[in-house]
Amino acid sequence: GEDVEQSLFLSVREGDSSVINCTYTDSSSTYLYWYKQEPGAGLQLLTYIFSNMDMKQDQRLTVLLNKKDKHLSLRIADTQTGDSAIYFCAETIGAGNMLTFGGGTRLMVKP
Amino acid sequence: NAGVTQTPKFQVLKTGQSMTLQCAQDMNHNSMYWYRQDPGMGLRLIYYSASEGTTDKGEVPNGYNVSRLNKREFSLRLESAAPSQTSVYFCASRAGESGANVLTFGAGSRLTVL
Repeated sequence: GEDVEQSLFLSVREGDSSVINCTYTDSSSTYLYWYKQEPGAGLQLLTYIFSNMDMKQDQRLTVLLNKKDKHLSLRIADTQTGDSAIYFCAETIGAGNMLTFGGGTRLMVKP
Repeated sequence: NAGVTQTPKFQVLKTGQSMTLQCAQDMNHNSMYWYRQDPGMGLRLIYYSASEGTTDKGEVPNGYNVSRLNKREFSLRLESAAPSQTSVYFCASRAGESGANVLTFGAGSRLTVL
């Protein structure tokens, strides 16, 4: 989606932290999401954050939201080979029923 | 609990042929969606259905039709396939009516149009 942008590729070593970044343009985003897609599979919701929050933590995952810069990040601590996948940022605008997705970031974890 | 089931998983068509992608969910969700996924472009919404009997266009509806026959099923039809419709198609359904759009996706249908 043209309104949500992500870098295409990230490579990290097993055990390191990964940080995947996303920028969006619409200031009326109400929810922002991170979805994960493993090879040959559909997307699975990892986590989401409401727009009035700055941070959300869930086990190895930390989501940071900077509303001023319209920037969302996903940090994966102690990255494992099983974390290798494509990660999609997405937003809901207002009370809408639709998600707008970014182009996805392919995370490669090297042993 | 199967979640969202799509058929077929793979299909090869010739230009001008027609076909229907089937999607069914067993979670009693009201909203259902069809997306296409192309490299580097993320997922783009083709059509969605907020409830049984209603459908609305998404970002890229041209060349497609949909049908929401009942609460469980939401089909996507290509009347005259074109090479530009070569893509991976995902069906999804939504839990809840308000708040966050938590979608459950099917495994995808890979379509190649020659």
